[in-house]
Amino acid sequence: DAGVIQSPRHEVTEMGQEVTLRCKPISGHDYLFWYRQTMMRGLELLIYFNNNVPIDDSGMPEDRFSAKMPNASFSTLKIQPSEPRDSAVYFCASSKGTGLVGEQYFGPGTRLTVT
Amino acid sequence: AQKVTQAQTEISVVEKEDVTLDCVYETRDTTYYLFWYKQPPSGELVFLIRRNSFDEQNEISGRYSWNFQKSTSSFNFTITASQVVDSAVYFCALSGGETGANNLFFGTGTRLTVIP
Repeated sequence: DAGVIQSPRHEVTEMGQEVTLRCKPISGHDYLFWYRQTMMRGLELLIYFNNNVPIDDSGMPEDRFSAKMPNASFSTLKIQPSEPRDSAVYFCASSKGTGLVGEQYFGPGTRLTVT
Repeated sequence: AQKVTQAQTEISVVEKEDVTLDCVYETRDTTYYLFWYKQPPSGELVFLIRRNSFDEQNEISGRYSWNFQKSTSSFNFTITASQVVDSAVYFCALSGGETGANNLFFGTGTRLTVIP
């Protein structure tokens, strides 16, 4: 079975540009999570969805960040405009909520570099 | 507030040695969940185990074992007879309470290096 798919795997962009990260969760999973990993702050939950509805976006750093989940098989995390401090690895994860609380399956991550 | 402390930043062991990774947590919730995840050099995070706060039974899975003690707020992870493939960063995480069972708070991780 396919795991969580993220694209692109690497993204290098210039400050001020728009960046869109993509995620396809595992089929049948009803929760989707976006995390950011940096050396300074470790792993941080940015936002998560349940049945395509955003449940908690308190971790989204600022208005430059937005996330959508138009359907059960696709989500995007957009940064506009990007800044050098957004450089990080962004992970998408999914889980099946009922009975498997917190057992999240992570994608390979997108390494974002903003110059 | 929820907090996870992994005091060991880096550990190195020689292959076949046993190693214990420490995890101490703080929470005001009576119902919560604890997790361990592994992040190998390839970068993805791999789920290892979940325990809920009402189940203090220790668990063993092959060379891996976990010791959950509510009295000391600890959830330690032991690898027996370590192997080079165990080299990775290991994260302890906590969820539960008002923030929701799916909102994971991760510790800063322990980098384990197993030397052949």
